[in-house]
Amino acid sequence: DVKVTQSSRYLVKRTGEKVFLECVQDMDHENMFWYRQDPGLGLRLIYFSYDVKMKEKGDIPEGYSVSREKKERFSLILESASTNQTSMYLCASSRGGSNYGYTFGSGTRLTVV
Amino acid sequence: EDQVTQSPEALRLQEGESSSLNCSYTVSGLRGLFWYRQDPGKGPEFLFTLYSAGEEKEKERLKATLTKKESFLHITAPKPEDSATYLCAVQEGNTGKLIFGQGTTLQVKP
Repeated sequence: DVKVTQSSRYLVKRTGEKVFLECVQDMDHENMFWYRQDPGLGLRLIYFSYDVKMKEKGDIPEGYSVSREKKERFSLILESASTNQTSMYLCASSRGGSNYGYTFGSGTRLTVV
Repeated sequence: EDQVTQSPEALRLQEGESSSLNCSYTVSGLRGLFWYRQDPGKGPEFLFTLYSAGEEKEKERLKATLTKKESFLHITAPKPEDSATYLCAVQEGNTGKLIFGQGTTLQVKP
C-alpha cells in the first residue's frame, strides 16, 4: 500500500525551539508539498519541491524552511517555534507534471507552548 | 487569480436524506478538479478527479459532476459514516499545485 508517512502524529514544543517535521513517501513521486491547516483558514501552502534539492515558497513561508536531500524525504523546519505556529501540518506528494492529484500523509498536530 | 469556493460551509442531514455540495472555481485553463474526504485529525483522502465539463465519477453513495464553472458532489441516501469534511481543489496552471476550497463539513445523523 503506497503511502506518505509523517514522523509524528502529535508534537508539543516550547517557544523558541527548532522543530523538524519529517515526511517520507514511497511512490517515487517528484513533487512534495507542506501545508498547514487551521480552522476557518483551510489548507495553506508553506513550501513545495519539484525535485531533489529544489524548493519553492508557497503562500506562507515566513518562519519556515525546508530540506529535500533525497527524493523520498521532505523536511519542514521551524527555525524558532512560536505559538502562532500551533497547527495541523500536512505533507503531500504527487507525480511530476500537472494533472495529478496529491497523496496526503496523516498529519502532525503541533502545539507550541 | 485562481480561486475555489465551497458551499455550504456545513451541512446536516438525516440518514437517507440526499443532497449536494457545491464547488465553484475560477481558473485559467482547468487541468483537473479534485475531491477529497477528510476525517477529523487525519489527512485528506482522495475521492475523485474530473478533467472536463460533462464528466462524472461515482463511488458508492457519492457522485461528482463537473461544469465549466463548478462541480457538485452528490450524496445519495447518506449514512452516518459519510460524516466528514469534503474538500475541493483545482490544479493551478502547469505547476502541479492544488488550490483548495475551505471545505464543507457534513454531518449525517442516524
